[in-house]
Amino acid sequence: DAKTTQPPSMDCAEGRAANLPCNHSTISGNEYVYWYRQIHSQGPQYIIHGLKNNETNEMASLIITEDRKSSTLILPHATLRDTAVYYCIVRVISPDKLIFGTGTRLQVFP
Amino acid sequence: EPEVTQTPSHQVTQMGQEVILRCVPISNHLYFYWYRQILGQKVEFLVSFYNNEISEKSEIFDDQFSVERPDGSNFTLKIRSTKLEDSAMYFCASSEVGQGARIQPQHFGDGTRLSIL
Repeated sequence: DAKTTQPPSMDCAEGRAANLPCNHSTISGNEYVYWYRQIHSQGPQYIIHGLKNNETNEMASLIITEDRKSSTLILPHATLRDTAVYYCIVRVISPDKLIFGTGTRLQVFP
Repeated sequence: EPEVTQTPSHQVTQMGQEVILRCVPISNHLYFYWYRQILGQKVEFLVSFYNNEISEKSEIFDDQFSVERPDGSNFTLKIRSTKLEDSAMYFCASSEVGQGARIQPQHFGDGTRLSIL
């Protein structure tokens, strides 16, 4: 089973920041938090990952709480093309596999 | 930007027939994976492959399934005798090894839609 809990759906106005929360209270010390998204039926798209420090790339920012039990993915200026299902995943390294939950369906509206 | 490519995009097969799904991973990647997603359900891990052998497989990956890296660029998933319940999107993914032998993010292809009639 997935080790994360996410809200099933969220809305965001175009141009505003989208903040997607994730709880992973049972995360182990060496496990990373990964975020992927899936637009319609396309393949999951990697967004960002982190261990304990906040991370930022060209797509998003990842804020991980100090106790690592939760995190937030931030899309700073959401566009209509960001409408997708967003998955927060605690990556199991050994064996290496991604366990997908049901994610958060983000709807960006004009 | 390099990407994982999968062919065909849609495969229609009669039940009981063999099917081979093909993937070209990103060229410098060393870890390869197959996942599947039945319509309306979660993405499920099937198998991981490294150094020409299976690293890990799920309960779904039974004797009907096999994987192969027949040459330096392709990675295939074979289903020997397809069943109706094999109908799904099949995604291939690959990842590279980073600093300290740390496995990097998995990058996915856009999938093959397999329809079993």
